[in-house]
Amino acid sequence: DQQVKQNSPSLSVQEGRISILNCDYTNSMFDYFLWYKKYPAEGPTFLISISSIKDKNEDGRFTVFLNKSAKHLSLHIVPSQPGDSAVYFCAASDRGSTLGRLYFGRGTQLTVWP
Amino acid sequence: EPEVTQTPSHQVTQMGQEVILRCVPISNHLYFYWYRQILGQKVEFLVSFYNNEISEKSEIFDDQFSVERPDGSNFTLKIRSTKLEDSAMYFCASRDLSNYGYTFGSGTRLTVV
Repeated sequence: DQQVKQNSPSLSVQEGRISILNCDYTNSMFDYFLWYKKYPAEGPTFLISISSIKDKNEDGRFTVFLNKSAKHLSLHIVPSQPGDSAVYFCAASDRGSTLGRLYFGRGTQLTVWP
Repeated sequence: EPEVTQTPSHQVTQMGQEVILRCVPISNHLYFYWYRQILGQKVEFLVSFYNNEISEKSEIFDDQFSVERPDGSNFTLKIRSTKLEDSAMYFCASRDLSNYGYTFGSGTRLTVV
């Protein structure tokens, strides 16, 4: 099941710079996309989401961009901080057919160094 | 901030034994889920639960698995006869009617030996 793909297992960014995490999906029925952040020994924490009717959603330092034609979304973190170091999961849902079941990517380990 | 609570945080069991993983979802949430993450792999959906019945289950959720909401607060996942490959982090999650951003618990690490 590779419906959601995060092709970069890791990303290293200097503090203050932009972090860009990418995600691709294959199922055209997905209409809602979410980013989760996960620290070791904790559950995923919801960060930000976007509906397929939008192409951008912003919340503070976090912005998610959606390109439906390319089936691609990205999470931008500006400016990056050391506390942002975590695994970031992209997830997608087809709200019309399931009770909000989420399909996750494999995650990208973000490391923000001082 | 409301939390989803999972117990125990770590469970070690012998192969073939039954385990029950427990979760207390957020009190006004209506939808409940179990996911799992095998070490090094992605988070995978197991089952969704609404209105006291299973709404959807994945191919992982075979006859060895069951879920129950025995009272108004607990949501449990039972594995009847554990296998080595059931070793994983199991996450419970819940959400309310309008918000698709689930709240996850911190997980139960199940180790089958």
